[in-house]
Amino acid sequence: RKEVEQDPGPFNVPEGATVAFNCTYSNSASQSFFWYRQDCRKEPKLLMSVYSSGNEDGRFTAQLNRASQYISLLIRDSKLSDSATYLCVVINVNRKLIWGLGTSLAVNP
Amino acid sequence: DAGVIQSPRHEVTEMGQEVTLRCKPISGHDYLFWYRQTMMRGLELLIYFNNNVPIDDSGMPEDRFSAKMPNASFSTLKIQPSEPRDSAVYFCASSPDSLYGYTFGSGTRLTVV
Repeated sequence: RKEVEQDPGPFNVPEGATVAFNCTYSNSASQSFFWYRQDCRKEPKLLMSVYSSGNEDGRFTAQLNRASQYISLLIRDSKLSDSATYLCVVINVNRKLIWGLGTSLAVNP
Repeated sequence: DAGVIQSPRHEVTEMGQEVTLRCKPISGHDYLFWYRQTMMRGLELLIYFNNNVPIDDSGMPEDRFSAKMPNASFSTLKIQPSEPRDSAVYFCASSPDSLYGYTFGSGTRLTVV
């Protein structure tokens, strides 16, 4: 089993839709969690950290479920510009970043 | 700040040739990372430096790969000899911390034919 797993998608949604992705991690002692965004043929960029209590940044909400060992990213009122690959990142017990393969999102007009 | 600067943006080379990728980190960032990204394996950490010293090179695939950081503003990743399976996008990233605040460069898309 991979240490970090994501549904590769693609998720195809219309503009204005709400979409959610999950990312599961295998090590219950993992410490910190992030979502990165990567546009086609570009570099990854930090989207948001994921806090234990959940956190929101505009249309984006990140949540952590330690009991079930997953993090989620919810995007409300999706825009065409949200089309990208969303990478889940977990800091494991050895203080190493473990990257998911990403979930592809396409927002359609 | 101009961000993390990588060169070249694209490189096409023949199998067996030497390839050198270059990176200029953000000034003041003590950590520099080299990553490789492929569709099948995603982002893989190859090596990282702290204050110009290599800390963890366990991700370097084999002896054909080497990395140096002669000073705080420059690093290279060299592949010699290159093979078709080395084809990937190579990213350099820098950070003020080993885990947080990563800034990636635009990457070098390497194709070995």
